[in-house]
Amino acid sequence: EAGVTQFPSHSVIEKGQTVTLRCDPISGHDNLYWYRRVMGKEIKFLLHFVKESKQDESGMPNNRFLAERTGGTYSTLKVQPAELEDSGVYFCASREGTRGINEQFFGPGTRLTVL
Amino acid sequence: AQKITQTQPGMFVQEKEAVTLDCTYDTSDQSYGLFWYKQPSSGEMIFLIYQGSYDEQNATEGRYSLNFQKARKSANLVISASQLGDSAMYFCAMRFLSGGYNKLIFGAGTRLAVHP
Repeated sequence: EAGVTQFPSHSVIEKGQTVTLRCDPISGHDNLYWYRRVMGKEIKFLLHFVKESKQDESGMPNNRFLAERTGGTYSTLKVQPAELEDSGVYFCASREGTRGINEQFFGPGTRLTVL
Repeated sequence: AQKITQTQPGMFVQEKEAVTLDCTYDTSDQSYGLFWYKQPSSGEMIFLIYQGSYDEQNATEGRYSLNFQKARKSANLVISASQLGDSAMYFCAMRFLSGGYNKLIFGAGTRLAVHP
């Protein structure tokens, strides 16, 4: 079974440009999460989808960030316009449902560098 | 507010020895779950072990065990018989009832280096 995949693995952009990150969760996982880790800081929650609906977006830093999950499958996270402080690693995770331990399965992350 | 603290930025251990990675947490929730994830140099986060707040026995998964001391709010990870492949970042994380058991909060991580 394929794990969580993220694209691109690395992105280098200039301040003011737009970047779109993509996450493909494990097939059948209704729950999808975005996290990010900026340099030297903890991994921080950004938002949570249940299928195509945003369940919790309390971690989104500001309105330059827009997340979508059309059709409840893959998700995109757009940063527009990007700022220097947006640099970091963006992780996506998915989770099946509510039974058992129900751990989140993480992707390898997208390393975003804003110059 | 919930918080995870990992006080060891880096740890060294000799191959085949045991190592303990510290994790303390703070929450006012009575129901919560604690996770440990491993992040090798490849970048992905690998789930290692889970402990529920109501679990009376310490969790074990192969060479990994979780030393859960609820009264002290600590959930230390013990890796027995360290292997070179254990060299990685290790993150302690928590989900909690008031967060809908959804979002995880993470500690800063501990970088473990296993020497031959």
